[in-house]
Amino acid sequence: QQQVKQSPQSLIVQKGGISIINCAYENTAFDYFPWYQQFPGKGPALLIAIRPDVSEKKEGRFTISFNKSAKQFSLHIMDSQPGDSATYFCAASMRFSHGQNFVFGPGTRLSVLP
Amino acid sequence: SAVISQKPSRDICQRGTSLTIQCQVDSQVTMMFWYRQQPGQSLTLIATANQGSEATYESGFVIDKFPISRPNLTFSTLTVSNMSPEDSSIYLCSVDGVANEQFFGPGTRLTVL
Repeated sequence: QQQVKQSPQSLIVQKGGISIINCAYENTAFDYFPWYQQFPGKGPALLIAIRPDVSEKKEGRFTISFNKSAKQFSLHIMDSQPGDSATYFCAASMRFSHGQNFVFGPGTRLSVLP
Repeated sequence: SAVISQKPSRDICQRGTSLTIQCQVDSQVTMMFWYRQQPGQSLTLIATANQGSEATYESGFVIDKFPISRPNLTFSTLTVSNMSPEDSSIYLCSVDGVANEQFFGPGTRLTVL
């Protein structure tokens, strides 16, 4: 129930195309859904996040779509650029008394071809 | 967002030895977290470290193997004890932001021979 599923495992997109990564969760207690971007040799960096009270959030070329009833959320990268080539992790979190529990998806390796 | 630094950035260690990883944050934070990221894998929470109390470990991780210190609100250490090649991973510390987000350090890449 704590698992977050993510697909695809890898994705190749042409420059200017749309990259779409999907995630699904089971535990309805999750109340925060971030996306992280990780470049090789670096720590994950927060890209964009959403809470379950909204269905969509857009920041620049990055959009999260959230479907609470289906327990699914997705990241859309518009006008994908070679610099977007990285590994993307979705996550879901909930707060506990001793802290916050983040569960990460397995990651999607995105390659944007020039 | 918080600025987090980790030392060392990478190390190569012999089996059976121990390595202590340091995490420094540029602001005071209540909770700090330690994660492990095995090669090509996702992030797995090792433990949560609050200042002034013992760390809380996730299932599969024990204090004898991964002792943690949290002496103040800007610093924490994670020790990987009695290392084996299976401990080769990236170890990441993170902190909470003001709006539930987590900010990660650059990671420590550990290779155990």
